[in-house]
Amino acid sequence: DTAVSQTPKYLVTQMGNDKSIKCEQNLGHDTMYWYKQDSKKFLKIMFSYNNKELIINETVPNRFSPKSPDKAHLNLHINSLELGDSAVYFCASSASSTSYNEQFFGPGTRLTVL
Amino acid sequence: AQSVTQLDSQVPVFEEAPVELRCNYSSSVSVYLFWYVQYPNQGLQLLLKYLSGSTLVKGINGFEAEFNKSQTSFHLRKPSVHISDTAEYFCAVNILLGTDKLIFGTGTRLQVFP
Repeated sequence: DTAVSQTPKYLVTQMGNDKSIKCEQNLGHDTMYWYKQDSKKFLKIMFSYNNKELIINETVPNRFSPKSPDKAHLNLHINSLELGDSAVYFCASSASSTSYNEQFFGPGTRLTVL
Repeated sequence: AQSVTQLDSQVPVFEEAPVELRCNYSSSVSVYLFWYVQYPNQGLQLLLKYLSGSTLVKGINGFEAEFNKSQTSFHLRKPSVHISDTAEYFCAVNILLGTDKLIFGTGTRLQVFP
């Protein structure tokens, strides 16, 4: 069974469109994250939710809106896509928000904005 | 500002040779340190972590790392690499002050040749 899954795996879209990426974890974890990995492989946290509550919001444009319907799911909606949004987006989860916990990553969603 | 520096963007090595991937961090307070590995087209997975105690930490797949507080380093080593170790390796730090989040280095691409 996949621990952290993301859909879709690939997403190609035009500038200006709105798109969503979904993430689900079956590990029973309380905390979930979204990371962005750019073309140079630099990985940066975007958001973190703990028990459906937003705890980290890293100066991300407000075109990006995370939503956590329950603690097993964390979705990312992006409005008015721009070329610079092209990246690989990773979802991750951990047992709690305490930093010593291992984070488990999903396989990533490669977003290409044309 | 707190940061993580991975000095080598690429490390080529022959199979069965030893390897060291370097990581330095900057922080005036205590830290937790991690090494993650990313195989092609996959998410990250934890190799090992240092929280406290013994400065030599052993991880999966024969990797180990040593925390050196005076040199603010956490270099990753393996005495004999395999082709299957070819991957991107990320050092990450959690500065135990303020927001509880991981800061990742820019990654080191380990390429193992036969």
